Amino acid sequence: EPEVTQTPSHQVTQMGQEVILRCVPISNHLYFYWYRQILGQKVEFLVSFYNNEISEKSEIFDDQFSVERPDGSNFTLKIRSTKLEDSAMYFCASRSGATYEQYFGPGTRLTVT
Amino acid sequence: GENVEQHPSTLSVQEGDSAVIKCTYSDSASNYFPWYKQELGKRPQLIIDIRSNVGEKKDQRIAVTLNKTAKHFSLHITETQPEDSAVYFCAASSPRPSGGSNYKLTFGKGTLLTVNP
Repeated sequence: EPEVTQTPSHQVTQMGQEVILRCVPISNHLYFYWYRQILGQKVEFLVSFYNNEISEKSEIFDDQFSVERPDGSNFTLKIRSTKLEDSAMYFCASRSGATYEQYFGPGTRLTVT
Repeated sequence: GENVEQHPSTLSVQEGDSAVIKCTYSDSASNYFPWYKQELGKRPQLIIDIRSNVGEKKDQRIAVTLNKTAKHFSLHITETQPEDSAVYFCAASSPRPSGGSNYKLTFGKGTLLTVNP
């Protein structure tokens, strides 16, 4: 069964550094999402992406964040200048156009020191 | 925006008992309600979902009920087993306020279910 994949599984970075989190959505899916989960808390929506543009973003998704689909398979989340409070698990999800179901990747644990 | 409340935050049951987790939502435009199971350090996995045109859905030991009028939905697990132990999240989804089919998910805070052998 196809799955969403994410790399790296764990990223440690220093405050102020840029990080890029990578996702490969399920191949025939059209809608792509980033969520984050701070340790012990609920999953929070960051941004959704469809037809090569952002369709919705949350208040968390400020100017330090950007997303890109550089080719037909990858979907990336960039944080330009990381802060301590960006430490969290970041999940990518994808959805086909025919159903509502979102399928999550295994996550990237980002640790900002 | 949408707000999802989930109760209880922790639930401990004996193997074989039933477990019920309840959620309420605020946005009457929400029309899709999935439940995710998350084991420690793993991705959320969709276990069952329901759309607003249906009042109940069942899949083996798992069922979900939806009351649109009261804006609440519940997860029911019967004959619980130790492998059911995990954090369960409810979520609600609706189109963007401006229209379209974005369907972002708004999650509840989760319920830690422990099934004791």
